[in-house]
Amino acid sequence: GEDVEQSLFLSVREGDSSVINCTYTDSSSTYLYWYKQEPGAGLQLLTYIFSNMDMKQDQRLTVLLNKKDKHLSLRIADTQTGDSAIYFCAETSNNAGNMLTFGGGTRLMVKP
Amino acid sequence: ETGVTQSPTHLIKTRGQQVTLRCSSQSGHNTVSWYQQALGQGPQFIFQYYREEENGRGNFPPRFSGLQFPNYSSELNVNALELDDSALYLCASSRGGASGNTIYFGEGSWLTVV
Repeated sequence: GEDVEQSLFLSVREGDSSVINCTYTDSSSTYLYWYKQEPGAGLQLLTYIFSNMDMKQDQRLTVLLNKKDKHLSLRIADTQTGDSAIYFCAETSNNAGNMLTFGGGTRLMVKP
Repeated sequence: ETGVTQSPTHLIKTRGQQVTLRCSSQSGHNTVSWYQQALGQGPQFIFQYYREEENGRGNFPPRFSGLQFPNYSSELNVNALELDDSALYLCASSRGGASGNTIYFGEGSWLTVV
């Protein structure tokens, strides 16, 4: 089946930028998503990007998509301690409607 | 606040028992999907309902079944519970049709099987 991969862990200092990376294998991906999960909670939709775009910016969040390399990144500017959480990359494809395929998540730790 | 509500939030069941989890979708959303998230892993797709019909299924056995009601709320039923069914069960709500609509999740139901 299709696969989505993320690095396990990222540690940054408060005020720095964080960049979380994701790679995927599905060449028919249509939309790619970033979700945030805090301990004991559900998934919070942060942003998503259509596969014919290469960048989307939303306040402190910037999503970059390299469709040729099947690489997606999420940049968080001015990272705060409240950004500490697990971040999941996910994709949907033409063949699967609104079914999401998730990566394993990246744990972001923000040090004061 | 996503407008997606799930119940119960936590429950403990014994191996072999049956469980029903419930989800109310966001207003205007006619598609509900269910996901299983084991500890330390990403969510795995179980199945999706669109206008009361199952519209896609992941790699889960038939003892995982579901329903969607005319108001688009949904149930997930799991029979013959196994220890490995212990997980967070997440419901996602979206508008059907083309993919890429915003997909919102509820807070989940934590199931522990002992």
